[in-house]
Amino acid sequence: EVQLVQSGAEVKKPGESLRISCKASGYNFISSWIGWVRQMPGKGLEWMGIIYPRDSDTRYSPSFQRQVTISADKSIDTAYLQWNSLQASDTAIYYCAKSGTYYGMDVWGQGTTVTVSS
Amino acid sequence: EIVLTQSPGTLSLSPGERATLSCRASQSVGSSYLAWYQQKPGQAPRLLIYGTSNRATDFPDRFSGSGSGTDFTLTISRLEPEDFAVYYCQQYGGSSWTFGQGTKVEIK
Repeated sequence: EVQLVQSGAEVKKPGESLRISCKASGYNFISSWIGWVRQMPGKGLEWMGIIYPRDSDTRYSPSFQRQVTISADKSIDTAYLQWNSLQASDTAIYYCAKSGTYYGMDVWGQGTTVTVSS
Repeated sequence: EIVLTQSPGTLSLSPGERATLSCRASQSVGSSYLAWYQQKPGQAPRLLIYGTSNRATDFPDRFSGSGSGTDFTLTISRLEPEDFAVYYCQQYGGSSWTFGQGTKVEIK
């Protein structure tokens, strides 16, 4: 069974750094893109970017280009989303999803809730 | 960046009725690269339709997608109670993908 399991909820203060993870199983991790999606409280889905773990080719939405870093460790089939300095506006649920140009985003993680508050 | 505009924002219908959801793109989207997702409260989104008209395996044939160029449609032929949810379109051609803002299908 193809599965993406995300790390647990985080509560952080403004200015702190954070890295959340997305562990893949049940498929060849390096041969599919992994994408990240933000959902702010009560709002819609926002596509943040994708990474191809085989060669770490990464594409970002212009809205997130300098706000976050997407990475992957193919030795442990895990993708990451990282912030260097969180802001209150980063409070949201973050989803990872197995992605591809044939089917879009076909398998989703359960989501990681990030709360940034002083 | 391609902007997707979904309409209506909210669709109030009764079970058994037909739902027609629209997704309009700011520039042409290859028909291979348009998807729809269903999201229920407290759950992750689920892929519903990919490549404009290909239904994902978990979904019944009362769901169908159509369209080309800048205009795409998701149709639910007869609403079942479990279909009341928020639906998002997404374009995934090129290097920057985008979602529409969503259409909520609610029980009238």
